[in-house]
Amino acid sequence: KAGVTQTPRYLIKTRGQQVTLSCSPISGHRSVSWYQQTPGQGLQFLFEYFSETQRNKGNFPGRFSGRQFSNSRSEMNVSTLELGDSALYLCASSRDGATYGYTFGSGTRLTVV
Amino acid sequence: SQKIEQNSEALNIQEGKTATLTCNYTNYSPAYLQWYRQDPGRGPVFLLLIRENEKEKRKERLKVTFDTTLKQSLFHITASQPADSATYLCALESIGGRDDKIIFGKGTRLHILP
Repeated sequence: KAGVTQTPRYLIKTRGQQVTLSCSPISGHRSVSWYQQTPGQGLQFLFEYFSETQRNKGNFPGRFSGRQFSNSRSEMNVSTLELGDSALYLCASSRDGATYGYTFGSGTRLTVV
Repeated sequence: SQKIEQNSEALNIQEGKTATLTCNYTNYSPAYLQWYRQDPGRGPVFLLLIRENEKEKRKERLKVTFDTTLKQSLFHITASQPADSATYLCALESIGGRDDKIIFGKGTRLHILP
């Protein structure tokens, strides 16, 4: 079966711009979560959506937001980009949270210049 | 503050031997502990999950132990192979409560030497 698909794979943006990243979960998975991965901080949880509702949120500023659609696809938006937002953004899906583990996509590599 | 630590940045193990990776944590009450493998340029791949009330779990050549008193998990790969070379991440997940939902260690890079 198809895995978790993230688009685009690479993105270069200018400081101050905004960006939208997309994630298509595995069919039947209703939970979608987003993570930021940097060499310094490692993998950090941004937020989780389940059935179109944000269920959990990490410790990131309000510039980071997301949403989930009725088909479980999810988007993440970062407004007013800063140089420090350069990172690998990963999306993961699961049937319902941790019990079955998370299936990650290959990520979107965002570079802010 | 919540903290999760994984042993040494890199671990070199001879092929055929058992690789043991450590994950320690403080100030966190996990319901689940998970181990992932990550290869360069790829997302993490789920390997094993163990619940707070479980002591050990196995899957093929993999074994995970979880000691909530010591606040430690050990991850073992037996009969290691060069293909096992990767970064291994430990993750703790909480349900409800005041802890962050999920936290990850920074990973241990494992090199299996032929």
